[in-house]
Amino acid sequence: DVKVTQSSRYLVKRTGEKVFLECVQDMDHENMFWYRQDPGLGLRLIYFSYDVKMKEKGDIPEGYSVSREKKERFSLILESASTNQTSMYLCASNQNNSPLHFGNGTRLTVT
Amino acid sequence: QQQVKQSPQSLIVQKGGISIINCAYENTAFDYFPWYQQFPGKGPALLIAIRPDVSEKKEGRFTISFNKSAKQFSLHIMDSQPGDSATYFCAASQGGGGNKLTFGTGTQLKVEL
Repeated sequence: DVKVTQSSRYLVKRTGEKVFLECVQDMDHENMFWYRQDPGLGLRLIYFSYDVKMKEKGDIPEGYSVSREKKERFSLILESASTNQTSMYLCASNQNNSPLHFGNGTRLTVT
Repeated sequence: QQQVKQSPQSLIVQKGGISIINCAYENTAFDYFPWYQQFPGKGPALLIAIRPDVSEKKEGRFTISFNKSAKQFSLHIMDSQPGDSATYFCAASQGGGGNKLTFGTGTQLKVEL
């Protein structure tokens, strides 16, 4: 069974801090994605990666960056956290065009 | 710019009833339409998906109806059960699969006894 693990379930950070959200998948999937989930807005794609060291912007990349140094790991970076980045962050992975497998999310609060 | 519009935002159905959630899309290049189910504290999980070459797909109590000309698709849950209480997201993508999905805003379903 595919497992996508997000390192933190809950995270509280201060405005201006640099924040790292980590995601690991155990199925050797080529593709990895970061979404944020907000009430009334659904899931919105931040960044995705089709290969190691490769990244592409999604629909809302502003204020975020990503890193994929190893195939199984995809990190989301908030360079300078702001209160409007308080949200649920979901990591997902898939192979080719197979269905997405999501992690259980990291709820980030920026105060 | 919302490319997939989902309604209703919330839905209460009696046990044994039919739950219906609707989605409409704008991009005619979309060719893959999945529905995801999310329970509290969990990530979304694929429930059922359809491609535009068929008008309906059924898996157990869950059915997707697809209307290509109207650019609409819907999820029907027959004989709804309390265990179906969850948030449901429709989605769409171009290129036939799970890559770069555009999601709807979600529907919170509650099935009451």
